[in-house]
Amino acid sequence: DTGVSQDPRHKITKRGQNVTFRCDPISEHNRLYWYRQTLGQGPEFLTYFQNEAQLEKSRLLSDRFSAERPKGSFSTLEIQRTEQGDSAMYLCASSLLTSGMGTDTQYFGPGTRLTVL
Amino acid sequence: GQNIDQPTEMTATEGAIVQINCTYQTSGFNGLFWYQQHAGEAPTFLSYNVLDGLEEKGRFSSFLSRSKGYSYLLLKELQMKDSASYLCAVRDHDYKLSFGAGTTVTVRA
Repeated sequence: DTGVSQDPRHKITKRGQNVTFRCDPISEHNRLYWYRQTLGQGPEFLTYFQNEAQLEKSRLLSDRFSAERPKGSFSTLEIQRTEQGDSAMYLCASSLLTSGMGTDTQYFGPGTRLTVL
Repeated sequence: GQNIDQPTEMTATEGAIVQINCTYQTSGFNGLFWYQQHAGEAPTFLSYNVLDGLEEKGRFSSFLSRSKGYSYLLLKELQMKDSASYLCAVRDHDYKLSFGAGTTVTVRA
């Protein structure tokens, strides 16, 4: 399978604990995005990378959240001191941004469902 | 910012046609996407419009009017497997997507 993969698929944690999620994008894709989705809502943008550079962080991303893409390939999203409001599906997407023409379609991974007790 | 509206739910019969409307108000527009999302799964790409007009892909078509801030997704010859949430998303000039809340389509036999 050459699609976007995420690990773990499900995570249950207690309030106050730290969690880390991993995303492996489609090979050769230079852009990687993180979104959060709650029940009955569309995905909300959190942050994105072009290669290893983090270009933007949403106001939704508090100081407890940090994301990295150290070698421009896989990415990690860490949440420190989790709160019940962090319970959501965390989606990763990747795309190939080319100058000029191109759709730059984002392809999504299966997501990590986080439950904070 | 982006404000994207689409109906919450729609129901249709197998074999019929359903049209899902999406209206948007944006601070920057660089394309409109439609994604399909089955419960508990990732969104999957359906269609993309950046110029006005109709794009057809098999049973699915998508239309865009930039002057009206309006798009629709047309699903023809509905099948039971088309029961899912359909997400309208607007892309800005930084290539970020802003999504609507999604339209849940239920196909009945």
